[in-house]
Amino acid sequence: SQTIHQWPATLVQPVGSPLSLECTVEGTSNPNLYWYRQAAGRGLQLLFYSVGIGQISSEVPQNLSASRPQDRQFILSSKKLLLSDSGFYLCAWSPTQGHEQFFGPGTRLTVL
Amino acid sequence: AQSVSQHNHHVILSEAASLELGCNYSYGGTVNLFWYVQYPGQHLQLLLKYFSGDPLVKGIKGFEAEFIKSKFSFNLRKPSVQWSDTAEYFCAVNPDSGYALNFGKGTSLLVTP
Repeated sequence: SQTIHQWPATLVQPVGSPLSLECTVEGTSNPNLYWYRQAAGRGLQLLFYSVGIGQISSEVPQNLSASRPQDRQFILSSKKLLLSDSGFYLCAWSPTQGHEQFFGPGTRLTVL
Repeated sequence: AQSVSQHNHHVILSEAASLELGCNYSYGGTVNLFWYVQYPGQHLQLLLKYFSGDPLVKGIKGFEAEFIKSKFSFNLRKPSVQWSDTAEYFCAVNPDSGYALNFGKGTSLLVTP
């Protein structure tokens, strides 16, 4: 069966520091991968998606970037965090577009 | 702008009461529809989905949802809720079989014994 891992589970970072969140998927190959952010009182907002190694599409302009160095690894990064980057970050995968997406446990990021 | 609206942000019910959570969307084309649930301390997980066919779909744990195309709605129902249904519920829409799932803001359900 497929599983999705995210780490760290929680992170507290100062403003201006770099960020790296990692997501890995097991039990499937060539998945579509997604990064979402959930801010308090809001639904999930799609930040990035990837259909293959090195292929990244951004849904919203922001202070963050994503990379996919391996088939089942998806990384969310920032060079300098802003206060507004605080939130709950979820990674998800799907076998193809239009299909349901399967979510990881999330990372709660607090920028102080 | 295209959007997904969930009508109730907070719902409190007693056990055995019936549940209906509203979801409306504003996309004009073909849509795939989903309800997700997040139990306290757990991952976001799929309750049910609609792609095509019978507009009444059944999901896990006794939940069902009805797609009414003319009303752009996909409401979630359960005839008799249990304390264990306490969770946050999210409606999501995938327009035109694209990549994005567009989520509503969620409904927090509290079921009291």
